[in-house]
Amino acid sequence: DQQVKQNSPSLSVQEGRISILNCDYTNSMFDYFLWYKKYPAEGPTFLISISSIKDKNEDGRFTVFLNKSAKHLSLHIVPSQPGDSAVYFCAAGGTSYGKLTFGQGTILTVHP
Amino acid sequence: GAGVSQSPSNKVTEKGKDVELRCDPISGHTALYWYRQSLGQGLEFLIYFQGNSAPDKSGLPSDRFSAERTGGSVSTLTIQRTQQEDSAVYLCASSTRNGYTFGSGTRLTVV
Repeated sequence: DQQVKQNSPSLSVQEGRISILNCDYTNSMFDYFLWYKKYPAEGPTFLISISSIKDKNEDGRFTVFLNKSAKHLSLHIVPSQPGDSAVYFCAAGGTSYGKLTFGQGTILTVHP
Repeated sequence: GAGVSQSPSNKVTEKGKDVELRCDPISGHTALYWYRQSLGQGLEFLIYFQGNSAPDKSGLPSDRFSAERTGGSVSTLTIQRTQQEDSAVYLCASSTRNGYTFGSGTRLTVV
């Protein structure tokens, strides 16, 4: 039972354009949603998060949108840069620091 | 240390052998997690330690997997009688209220 799903295994965008990564979840008890970025041979690093009481959180080039009624969240990166090329995981849990359920990841490639 | 340290970084083992993976969390982080990432899969929760509470072992895939955390610090994940499907990157994370910090993982290959 995959409670957090990232249906796009990969995404390719041109430098300077917007990257939109999507994530769907099924458990309505999730209160916190996070995005992690992972480079090869490194552990995932925290990127941005949003609590269920909000529908948008912005940090520089990164914005996370939450649609609770649709149980859907998305990460927007604008403008995209080649250094953003990595695997992006969405995650959900009761808090930002407790047990998290992760999606399968989306490989983002930003072409110069 | 400043981060979560995992060892070894790579481990190749023969099917049927036992392996031990080590995680040294950030000092003062009371919560410690083990996840694994199989090829093409997401991060799969394995086990969670929180302070002196009984660990949440709900993600361990079989009784060949076990983990312990000694003195509330270092944790060891043990896989007995390894199988090829155990091949994956095993990631450890520790957390505070400020969130997770992951180690770089141990890439386990069972041949």
